[in-house]
Amino acid sequence: GQNIDQPTEMTATEGAIVQINCTYQTSGFNGLFWYQQHAGEAPTFLSYNVLDGLEEKGRFSSFLSRSKGYSYLLLKELQMKDSASYLCAVRGASGGSYIPTFGRGTSLIVHP
Amino acid sequence: DTEVTQTPKHLVMGMTNKKSLKCEQHMGHRAMYWYKQKAKKPPELMFVYSYEKLSINESVPSRFSPECPNSSLLNLHLHALQPEDSALYLCASSQGSGSTDTQYFGPGTRLTVL
Repeated sequence: GQNIDQPTEMTATEGAIVQINCTYQTSGFNGLFWYQQHAGEAPTFLSYNVLDGLEEKGRFSSFLSRSKGYSYLLLKELQMKDSASYLCAVRGASGGSYIPTFGRGTSLIVHP
Repeated sequence: DTEVTQTPKHLVMGMTNKKSLKCEQHMGHRAMYWYKQKAKKPPELMFVYSYEKLSINESVPSRFSPECPNSSLLNLHLHALQPEDSALYLCASSQGSGSTDTQYFGPGTRLTVL
């Protein structure tokens, strides 16, 4: 099975940088996803990490350490529209299934 | 184009009604998924179709019945639902269901059961 842990809520100021952490335990590992979800809307794919290191994509970066079972999503130059829930999803290899399991999500509140 | 569409956007139904949710993608993806999401909770996997065949059913009650008429369409038939079934129902698709495939989600159907 899989166990995924991320903070429930974070607050940050517009223009600042925020780091959202995700720790996981899984039997087998086949990648970690970050999704953004605004209230009442569908999750939107942000990033995918399968090897250790940092993946940068514009204002968003995602880091993975497989040995530590740890990932973070870094958001720079925060904007009000970044207020959303950020879901960490881990793909294991349980019983031949590669369906990702979602964490509970971190609700990010950006204030002026 | 990474678009998955879902209809309707909102649905209100009584416990004796029969309704269907529809999902469509034209990305040539061969895996499609139904998720249920309650407020402030992560999406919970319900069903997975791979190459138009049901490959995963996560012990979902029989009042939810999935159907995959072709590789682009996925339906979820609803019958005799309970108020606790009220949730956001999300459809997703991916190239396949293998170890390198990314899921893309539709906008969801907000379902309210009275």
